Amino acid sequence: QQQVKQSPQSLIVQKGGIPIINCAYENTAFDYFPWYQQFPGKGPALLIAIRPDVSEKKEGRFTISFNKSAKQFSLHIMDSQPGDSATYFCAASSRNDYKLSFGAGTTVTVRA
Amino acid sequence: DTAVSQTPKYLVTQMGNDKSIKCEQNLGHDTMYWYKQDSKKFLKIMFSYNNKELIINETVPNRFSPKSPDKAHLNLHINSLELGDSAVYFCASSQEGARERSGYTFGSGTRLTVV
Repeated sequence: QQQVKQSPQSLIVQKGGIPIINCAYENTAFDYFPWYQQFPGKGPALLIAIRPDVSEKKEGRFTISFNKSAKQFSLHIMDSQPGDSATYFCAASSRNDYKLSFGAGTTVTVRA
Repeated sequence: DTAVSQTPKYLVTQMGNDKSIKCEQNLGHDTMYWYKQDSKKFLKIMFSYNNKELIINETVPNRFSPKSPDKAHLNLHINSLELGDSAVYFCASSQEGARERSGYTFGSGTRLTVV
């Protein structure tokens, strides 16, 4: 079964808007939570990642918020641009996992 | 220089055929993976290898056989292809103990279509 639940399935925003993607997990052994960005015809690429001892992390226009007690984390894309239109995946793993468990993905469309 | 390269990029074949996908990474990583992405874009782990040893075999049919001749290569052979095998297959690599620094690096995928 899916270990990481992601919502929404798709999202459309205007340029400059802030798309927000949410993920939830159950496995308390997870200790690494990356986000991946995938453009059509390409493989997923690491965007930003967070550990559970940090509540927020920013890299450029991308921000992860993490709520350990609720077992939820989210991605915010500030001042979104048409070039941000892509599919975004949250993921999680534990230290000796040898795999990433992915959410189902969110297709974000930023209209000019 | 491509970090994780897969060949071929596209593969169209008939049901019942046997095919292989090759993957090579030049990052010096010690762990390699095969992921399957279905038509709904869901990414699911199939296999992972650490230092050429099979670590994860995620309930994949026996028709799928991975092979890692060395740490830089992980190939996937598929026997008796079925319509349901149509998907995009991604190879990825990572360095044990360095996931927070470099994460997983994915190839650009092999789109397999079984007709």
